[in-house]
Amino acid sequence: QQPVQSPQAVILREGEDAVINCSSSKALYSVHWYRQKHGEAPVFLMILLKGGEQKGHEKISASFNEKKQQSSLYLTASQLSYSGTYFCGPDSSGSARQLTFGSGTQLTVLP
Amino acid sequence: KAGVTQTPRYLIKTRGQQVTLSCSPISGHRSVSWYQQTPGQGLQFLFEYFSETQRNKGNFPGRFSGRQFSNSRSEMNVSTLELGDSALYLCASNIGTGVVGYTFGSGTRLTVV
Repeated sequence: QQPVQSPQAVILREGEDAVINCSSSKALYSVHWYRQKHGEAPVFLMILLKGGEQKGHEKISASFNEKKQQSSLYLTASQLSYSGTYFCGPDSSGSARQLTFGSGTQLTVLP
Repeated sequence: KAGVTQTPRYLIKTRGQQVTLSCSPISGHRSVSWYQQTPGQGLQFLFEYFSETQRNKGNFPGRFSGRQFSNSRSEMNVSTLELGDSALYLCASNIGTGVVGYTFGSGTRLTVV
């Protein structure tokens, strides 16, 4: 079952902040985040592990609430390069070998 | 370091035909996963291979199959193509152990007419 991402789309100005949320109906071991620019391959951003460990991007932060089965991605002081579609991929198996991605959040950063 | 290479980039096939897509992972990566991406459904997991064995499979009909070779290169085959199979097919690789991120290829755009 696909996770639910919100909002579906967001437009902001350079320098503004944004939050993208991801909710799953299953208990999670980790949550994976990717960004895809138009016409390009998805790019790995980070993994949030059960217990609080985070692997990945230095400039983008995220949280993982295991009890609520939710994760949020925080984009602060957005840059033009942050534009793209963000996908969350919760892992309920523990192996992270079969990710079920959400339908994505389209983020547009305007100058 | 070369990235994940998918060939061909674009493909147009007729309904009822079959198609084979190819994926060469990053050197040293032993796990290859395949995803179908459509505008409405996002990224849907097809299957994952590690050391020539299919470890995981998504909810797709048997018309979708794959395999992995000893050099970790992988192929995906779709038989009896349907119009609804039109999509971007993405391949992703990683080392295959532990919880690590994937590196995606640019995909093969399949159009079924």
